[in-house]
Amino acid sequence: LAKTTQPISMDSYEGQEVNITCSHNNIATNDYITWYQQFPSQGPRFIIQGYKTKVTNEVASLFIPADRKSSTLSLPRVSLSDTAVYYCLVGSEGFNKFYFGSGTKLNVKP
Amino acid sequence: EAQVTQNPRYLITVTGKKLTVTCSQNMNHEYMSWYRQDPGLGLRQIYYSMNVEVTDKGDVPEGYKVSRKEKRNFPLILESPSPNQTSLYFCASRPQGRSYEQYFGPGTRLTVT
Repeated sequence: LAKTTQPISMDSYEGQEVNITCSHNNIATNDYITWYQQFPSQGPRFIIQGYKTKVTNEVASLFIPADRKSSTLSLPRVSLSDTAVYYCLVGSEGFNKFYFGSGTKLNVKP
Repeated sequence: EAQVTQNPRYLITVTGKKLTVTCSQNMNHEYMSWYRQDPGLGLRQIYYSMNVEVTDKGDVPEGYKVSRKEKRNFPLILESPSPNQTSLYFCASRPQGRSYEQYFGPGTRLTVT
C-alpha cells in the first residue's frame, strides 16, 4: 500500500474554505485516493474518492494533479461542526487493505 | 436503519481472559473489517473478510482471531488478551465493488488490566 503524508493539524475559521493536502509519492497506477472524516469516539465516515483530476460531491471536492503524487481535499465554507480528523487513504489490492495513517486534525474556530 | 453494530461498547477485562467482540451489519455487505485505533497511530487494520469463510490479515493481526461463518457477522476474538491490546476497536463493512466507502460501527473501547 502507498503510504501517505498529511499535516498533523490545521486551524481555520467558520465560513472559510479549507484545503488539506496529502502526499503519496509512491502511488501505483491502480491506486485510488479516498478521504475520511472522524469525530472523537466515532467511527470514520467516508467523504470522497477519486482517481484523477477533480471529483465533487455535496460535501467536498477532491483535486488530483496529473502526476497523482498528491491530492487536496477542499471543504467549502467550513463550520464548527467540521472540526474533526481527516484521513487520506491510498491503495487498491482489490480494495481490501486500508492504511489510514495519523490524519490531519482540523480545528474550526468561530 | 442501515448500520453496523458492535457489542459490547465498553469492556474492562484482565490479562489472559478470553473475550469476543461482536460485529454485525444489516446491509448485506460482502466485505467486513476490524481496526484498532491508538493515540498518535491512527487506525490500523487487524483482519478483513471478503466474504463468508474468506478472511485475511491486515497490518496488525498478532493476538487476534476472526471468523466469518455468516455474511452479517464478523466477531473479533482475543484468546489471551494483554495490556497492549487496550485500544478502541472499530468494525466496518462495505459492498463489493470498486469503492473504498466503508461503513463503520460505533466502536468498542477495550481495557485490559
